[in-house]
Amino acid sequence: DIQMTQSPSLLSASVGDRVTLSCKASQNIYKYLNWYQQKLGEAPKLLIYYTNSLQTGIPSRFSGSGSGTDFTLTISSLQPEDVATYYCYQYNSGWTFGGGTKLELK
Amino acid sequence: QVQLQQSGAELVKPGSSVKISCKASGYTFTSYDMHWIKQQPGNGLEWIGWIYPGNGNTKYNQKFNGKATLTADKSSSTAYMQLSSLTSEDSAVYFCARWRTGLDYWGQGVMVTVSS
Repeated sequence: DIQMTQSPSLLSASVGDRVTLSCKASQNIYKYLNWYQQKLGEAPKLLIYYTNSLQTGIPSRFSGSGSGTDFTLTISSLQPEDVATYYCYQYNSGWTFGGGTKLELK
Repeated sequence: QVQLQQSGAELVKPGSSVKISCKASGYTFTSYDMHWIKQQPGNGLEWIGWIYPGNGNTKYNQKFNGKATLTADKSSSTAYMQLSSLTSEDSAVYFCARWRTGLDYWGQGVMVTVSS
């Protein structure tokens, strides 16, 4: 089974900061990776699909990159509404979520 | 607009079963996989499996083989998940979500509490 490891597990940043979240796969998943945002008490929301494609309606400050085993979600200028937990999700072999990165305001 | 409306919260006894539903609207139900995801309180997301309502094909996370059974009713555009032999470890919120290029639409989640 493919394992997905996200780091850090908790990230504190200020409004306007550039924020980078990491996701590593235990084996090559090519670009079969999505990113989801989950706010407290809500269902997750799809942000990025196939590593770097922005889902409709998602602000352009969100972007994704990577391939193989190393992937990154970047928020170019952090906004207060971005406080949430972020999950990566691979679908190359089976379907596996990472453990999540909780993003809070400093 | 696409909507996935899940059934209400359940309080069930250990050893029993529960069947939760996910009614789809706003798209062709039979054309997209429906996935199910588990989230225990304060924890992350865990993929359970998917069903393709067009032909009933299913795929499960091995961990949930024998625990979860996915079905779909084309006539009512509703997907179901039955959980059996419930224990406290099954207490969680369960989401359904449509797969397109990702899990692009989600239900609101169903809280299942297993308690005597």
